[in-house]
Amino acid sequence: ETGVTQTPRHLVMGMTNKKSLKCEQHLGHNAMYWYKQSAKKPLELMFVYSLEERVENNSVPSRFSPECPNSSHLFLHLHTLQPEDSALYLCASSQATGTPGDTQYFGPGTRLTVL
Amino acid sequence: DQQVKQNSPSLSVQEGRISILNCDYTNSMFDYFLWYKKYPAEGPTFLISISSIKDKNEDGRFTVFLNKSAKHLSLHIVPSQPGDSAVYFCAASPLGRYIFGTGTRLKVLA
Repeated sequence: ETGVTQTPRHLVMGMTNKKSLKCEQHLGHNAMYWYKQSAKKPLELMFVYSLEERVENNSVPSRFSPECPNSSHLFLHLHTLQPEDSALYLCASSQATGTPGDTQYFGPGTRLTVL
Repeated sequence: DQQVKQNSPSLSVQEGRISILNCDYTNSMFDYFLWYKKYPAEGPTFLISISSIKDKNEDGRFTVFLNKSAKHLSLHIVPSQPGDSAVYFCAASPLGRYIFGTGTRLKVLA
């Protein structure tokens, strides 16, 4: 596997379910990101991790809980979501954070539907 | 209020002609700008970038122009090819964080 991978690619869940999204990067990067893309809206940055430490949380509801066990893996744990949380969730990685010109590389995304 | 705007949701261009995608931003402190391309069922892929100290960057068929006084960014693709059909996102980067526009869907007609 190369680049950034995400599993599952599609997920349908009820509002009372608990599920997790997984992201893995094979680029040797030190920073990882979660983004949300809703229909007709720009990509919204949710969380930023640098060297496994969360450095940014953009006012995301607590029903989304990130976890970064090491610099190659990033999880997004989902609990009691709402239908408006249905979106494409994208993971990205970069060499570092806060560096101008540091390119982010994206995974293919997980299409989440909350019923 | 959106800090990065792509006001054209879609654009159709004939194969071989020039495609021009536009992006406007509001914050003069942005120091880096990028364009990403996204195919269906794939994540965005990096295309080209430009630092705020430059006004032009070229990579093959792709050229990005930056007009700081107008707070305007554009991507030129010439000649356009059917494989260029995708959604194009511009992004502005303050200190390594990305702020994205809503995207422009480009369709190149054969």
